[in-house]
Amino acid sequence: GENVEQHPSTLSVQEGDSAVIKCTYSDSASNYFPWYKQELGKRPQLIIDIRSNVGEKKDQRIAVTLNKTAKHFSLHITETQPEDSAVYFCAALKIQGAQKLVFGQGTRLTINP
Amino acid sequence: DTAVSQTPKYLVTQMGNDKSIKCEQNLGHDTMYWYKQDSKKFLKIMFSYNNKELIINETVPNRFSPKSPDKAHLNLHINSLELGDSAVYFCASSQGWDSPSVFGQGTRLTVV
Repeated sequence: GENVEQHPSTLSVQEGDSAVIKCTYSDSASNYFPWYKQELGKRPQLIIDIRSNVGEKKDQRIAVTLNKTAKHFSLHITETQPEDSAVYFCAALKIQGAQKLVFGQGTRLTINP
Repeated sequence: DTAVSQTPKYLVTQMGNDKSIKCEQNLGHDTMYWYKQDSKKFLKIMFSYNNKELIINETVPNRFSPKSPDKAHLNLHINSLELGDSAVYFCASSQGWDSPSVFGQGTRLTVV
């Protein structure tokens, strides 16, 4: 079945620096890749997504890149701020068999002031 | 004006009991989901319904039974609760039928 690997599991960066989180997926037919942010004790929130017909998408300080050939996608956060501290989940839409979203294991991002 | 609301927020109960978690969305979305988040924060789908029809039924114990009386509601009933059922359960919804766009606030279930 679909497998989504996410790295690193924890990431600590200085405020103002950039953060990058990477994910790989196994189902080559996957065509939709959302990212969710979950602050401590809160619900996951969809922050950005990308479909397989584009290679990059930006929304202010966050961007996502997709390399279909290599089957990996990444989240980039620039000019990090303390409120960016959270757990981030990547996900891939598994197409083969029952269509469903498969999540990565999560990355705990800490922004140090 | 809460978009996806689930109740209760916290649930502490003894092993062997039966409990229900309710979920309602006012977004007019066609699809609703139940996810389980374990102590390691891993999110895993349990069920999804599209317009009251069951779409995804993952390999969960049949002690878990979802019920969707209409497309705005998806409730989760759990029979004979076990210690391993302790987790946070999230309801979610979306307009499309493949991935959640809005989550509820979660229900932290603790089985003692």
